Parts: sequence; structure tokens; C-alpha cells
Amino acid sequence: GAVVSQHPSWVICKSGTSVKIECRSLDFQATTMFWYRQFPKQSLMLMATSNEGSKATYEQGVEKDKFLINHASLTLSTLTVTSAHPEDSSFYICSAATGTVPYEQYFGPGTRLTVT
Amino acid sequence: AQSVTQLDSHVSVSEGTPVLLRCNYSSSYSPSLFWYVQHPNKGLQLLLKYTSAATLVKGINGFEAEFKKSETSFHLTKPSAHMSDAAEYFCVVTPLNSGNTPLVFGKGTRLSVIA
Repeated sequence: GAVVSQHPSWVICKSGTSVKIECRSLDFQATTMFWYRQFPKQSLMLMATSNEGSKATYEQGVEKDKFLINHASLTLSTLTVTSAHPEDSSFYICSAATGTVPYEQYFGPGTRLTVT
Repeated sequence: AQSVTQLDSHVSVSEGTPVLLRCNYSSSYSPSLFWYVQHPNKGLQLLLKYTSAATLVKGINGFEAEFKKSETSFHLTKPSAHMSDAAEYFCVVTPLNSGNTPLVFGKGTRLSVIA
């Protein structure tokens, strides 16, 4: 099956710094990638939809200037958490869509961000 | 619009007994439905999916789910629980054949398996 990777899998950063998380589709091209956020013991919440070569579409309540998303190629999307604060600590998960039959989406393993 | 309601936030069963995790959905379109499992501090693993073919869907690890349109339900079952089944389970809906549409997650059901 298709594989999606995320890097790093775990990161600790200091308050005020920025962190970049990469999401890669390893063996297929993904026209669309999605970024989700999961707080402890809660479900996944969609943050934004990322289409290759265009600006991301953010869900209501998600600050686009704080969570910068870039989808520069068909196999890579990045999420940058700018000026991170402790409340940004969370599990960030990406998924990549094939966009063609059989219209599958594949999830990355997630990135755990801790802001101190 | 689509939404998913997982009727139980926590289910506890004894090892070797049946598992039933309940899910109801709402969708303006013909839906695709999924069940994902997430073990502690791990990513998501797809258990099974319904995409308008057979209404009884068999997945991995002995799990299956039945799509019932009249009841708008997609309950997940397993005949005999194993300790390794203890995890968080998410029911998910998206419009059928719309791979570029985000998935809508239920709030999750935590399954505990007692020895």
C-alpha cells in the first residue's frame, strides 16, 4: 500500500521558536494533502487542506499566519508552526490523497510537538 | 455536509467476548465510511472501509462492519476480543469517490479489554 512519512516524529522546542513538520508521499503523487491536529484523548480536527501549487485552505478558527502550509511538490507538504507557544503542543497528523480511483487517503504516523 | 456520531466514548469487554462499537453517520451524499484504530502514541491504522460495494465489510484483525442505510449506521464488530485490541477507534465518513475531500472523524471510542 501507499506510504506517507512525517518528519520529525517527535520534537521539543522552546516557546517563541518555529518548527517545521514535513509530510511526504513516498510512492505516489498526492495532489491534495490534509493536516489534522489531535489533542490528548480527543479526535482528529482538520486544520487545513493543501493543494499542490496553490494556497492552503484553512478551517475556521485556524490561524493561517501561525500555521504556515506549503505544498511545493506532488510528494511534499510542510506545516510550519511559527512563534510556538505551549498551547500549540499537540499531535499533528497529515494525510495524502491520491486524487484518482480508488480515491484513497493515506495517513502519516504523526508528529508530536511539545513546546516548553 | 457529513457528520459521525460514535455512541459510546468508552467500551470495556472481557478477553474472548464479542466487541461492538457503534457509529451513526449523516451525509448529504452517498458516503464512504471507514474505521480506523489508533494505539497509544501511534498513528492511525485503517481497519476497513465501505465504498458502496458489499454492505458487510471485512477488515483486518477479525473486525467487520455492516453498512445499514436505513439505520444510517456502520457498527464495528469482532467475535472475540484480544488484549491487543485495546485502543482508540474512530469512525470516519467522506463523500463517496471524492478523494480530495477531508475525512470527518467521530470523537472516538476507547476500547478496553479485560483479562
